[in-house]
Amino acid sequence: VHLVQSGAEVKKPGASVKVSCKASGYTFTDYYLHWVRQAPGQELEWMGWINPNGGGTNSAQKFQGRVTVTADTSLSTAYMELSSLRYDDTAVYHCARAGRVGSRPSAFDIWGQGTMVTVSS
Amino acid sequence: DIVLTQSPGTLSLSPGERATLSCRASQSLSSSYLAWYQQKPGQAPRLLIYGASSRATGIPDRFSGSGSGTDFTLTISRLEPEDFAVYYCQQYGSSPRTFGQGTKLEIK
Repeated sequence: VHLVQSGAEVKKPGASVKVSCKASGYTFTDYYLHWVRQAPGQELEWMGWINPNGGGTNSAQKFQGRVTVTADTSLSTAYMELSSLRYDDTAVYHCARAGRVGSRPSAFDIWGQGTMVTVSS
Repeated sequence: DIVLTQSPGTLSLSPGERATLSCRASQSLSSSYLAWYQQKPGQAPRLLIYGASSRATGIPDRFSGSGSGTDFTLTISRLEPEDFAVYYCQQYGSSPRTFGQGTKLEIK
């Protein structure tokens, strides 16, 4: 079971970034997929989740209006797009698998390797 | 939002010693939806404990979790050199999911 993310990005303030997360080794549509970020030297920060089976999403209030989480089931890939980037969005962005769709809440058992997003002028 | 406060911020111990890490929640966690993760520099977090006390697949039995309500503990019975890392607790029963600020376990 693996989650493999896209490569590092450098963006200017005000731009958007789209990070991908490709799943393998399990049925993509069976499990929720979450996004978590970590600024340099800082703690983990939860951003949101997607149910790949149907596309339902939820995001942290802090990011609402700026984050879009989508999934392409034909590619077993989830995407996280963050718009209106600011300097403090510089962070490593991780995808992480949680529990089966429709089951009780679950911890994040599989993590992607992380994608470094740098916001710089 | 549920705030998780971890203590201590840094714990300095020697290999072979016992480590006790604390995580306190600002409100009671339903069904003990509390997890612990280990993170080493440059790596993604690794799930150690879920449901407050259940070890994840492949996690050595020197790692144990306990607690309920608002107070939770991660114990490492005998530290191995590879255990020195940052540890995070997380509540996953409420939205937004939240993490503690982390405890850095360093070699004394």
